Amino acid sequence: QKEVEQDPGPLSVPEGAIVSLNCTYSNSAFQYFMWYRQYSRKGPELLMYTYSSGNKEDGRFTAQVDKSSKYISLFIRDSQPSDSATYLCAMRGGATNKLIFGTGTLLAVQP
Amino acid sequence: DTAVSQTPKYLVTQMGNDKSIKCEQNLGHDTMYWYKQDSKKFLKIMFSYNNKELIINETVPNRFSPKSPDKAHLNLHINSLELGDSAVYFCASSSGGTSGNTIYFGEGSWLTVV
Repeated sequence: QKEVEQDPGPLSVPEGAIVSLNCTYSNSAFQYFMWYRQYSRKGPELLMYTYSSGNKEDGRFTAQVDKSSKYISLFIRDSQPSDSATYLCAMRGGATNKLIFGTGTLLAVQP
Repeated sequence: DTAVSQTPKYLVTQMGNDKSIKCEQNLGHDTMYWYKQDSKKFLKIMFSYNNKELIINETVPNRFSPKSPDKAHLNLHINSLELGDSAVYFCASSSGGTSGNTIYFGEGSWLTVV
């Protein structure tokens, strides 16, 4: 079992839809949770960062962490074609403290 | 001004060749990384250097040798290239050692071994 599981998609939604992206993980020591966005032919860029459980909002983006269920989510409201990208979750914690990435979900927002 | 820059962006080479990818960051960070992203988009760390010192060395064939001449540079040399080495290699950097949460990635180097 991989430490971090993420549905690869692709996920196709119409413009204006609410998008929900999710990751599950197995290591209960993870404490820091991140979402990266990667456009085609580009490097990943940090979108959201959350420590421990809870919600964090930044504009149209909301990150949620549920440590009891080992489940994190990224919500995108009023999705735009420019949101079309691969979204990677990442997390770290525990003895090694290495940043572990999910495989990414490819999102396409149709105009 | 590119924060993390790596060259070349595209590299096509034959099996058995030796090649290098160079990376430079102008963010003043103390930690630099090499990540490998395979065709399924899985991003995995290969190496990490903190202040020119090797901190993380994942299970990578010893054909891969990183070198950090100074804090702002981390190069990756690959000997005897194999077909399976074809991937995108990302250089990255962060502050606060390997516990840094904001990792800045370069644009990637697309390596194709034929």
